[in-house]
Amino acid sequence: GNSVTQMEGPVTLSEEAFLTINCTYTATGYPSLFWYVQYPGEGLQLLLKATKADDKGSNKGFEATYRKETTSFHLEKGSVQVSDSAVYFCALSADGGSNYKLTFGKGTLLTVNP
Amino acid sequence: DTGVSQDPRHKITKRGQNVTFRCDPISEHNRLYWYRQTLGQGPEFLTYFQNEAQLEKSRLLSDRFSAERPKGSFSTLEIQRTEQGDSAMYLCASSPQAPRGEAFFGQGTRLTVV
Repeated sequence: GNSVTQMEGPVTLSEEAFLTINCTYTATGYPSLFWYVQYPGEGLQLLLKATKADDKGSNKGFEATYRKETTSFHLEKGSVQVSDSAVYFCALSADGGSNYKLTFGKGTLLTVNP
Repeated sequence: DTGVSQDPRHKITKRGQNVTFRCDPISEHNRLYWYRQTLGQGPEFLTYFQNEAQLEKSRLLSDRFSAERPKGSFSTLEIQRTEQGDSAMYLCASSPQAPRGEAFFGQGTRLTVV
């Protein structure tokens, strides 16, 4: 079956530090890959996505590249801010007819200190 | 566009009672999903509607759970004879016809069974 494994948290960084959150996946077919973010007290929001191999998704300074050869989709940001403190979820949507259901990782809590 | 709305935000119930949650998706989205999220875990798929048709149910969805989406608009999720293990955050998401997997989530209903 489909599965997503992401880096265990929590991750604590100082402002302006470099961020990497690792994500690897197992899926049948050619999945689309996503990073969702959950800020305190808010719902899940789509952060970025990539739909095919070698695509790079980017948003708000975050980037992730779809690596089919390593089945990975690592999230990076060059300089984090306090406002980036949140829980980050890696997810995939695999071929399944019309059902685009998402399979999520367990989430990684990021805390950025000033 | 007010986003995906869920009601109530919090529900505390006694074991054995029935509860019902409501989800109002983004109006033009024909796909609607229910997920369950427990502490420290990513959301897990429960069920999927395309318009008013319930097309897939997870094995997580026991016989005590039922979901409907009359007229392809709002959806309800009912849990009968609640158990303590049902305590979780129940998330609703909707998505348009395309692109695959790009879902918009509500803020969730947190259920506590005492």
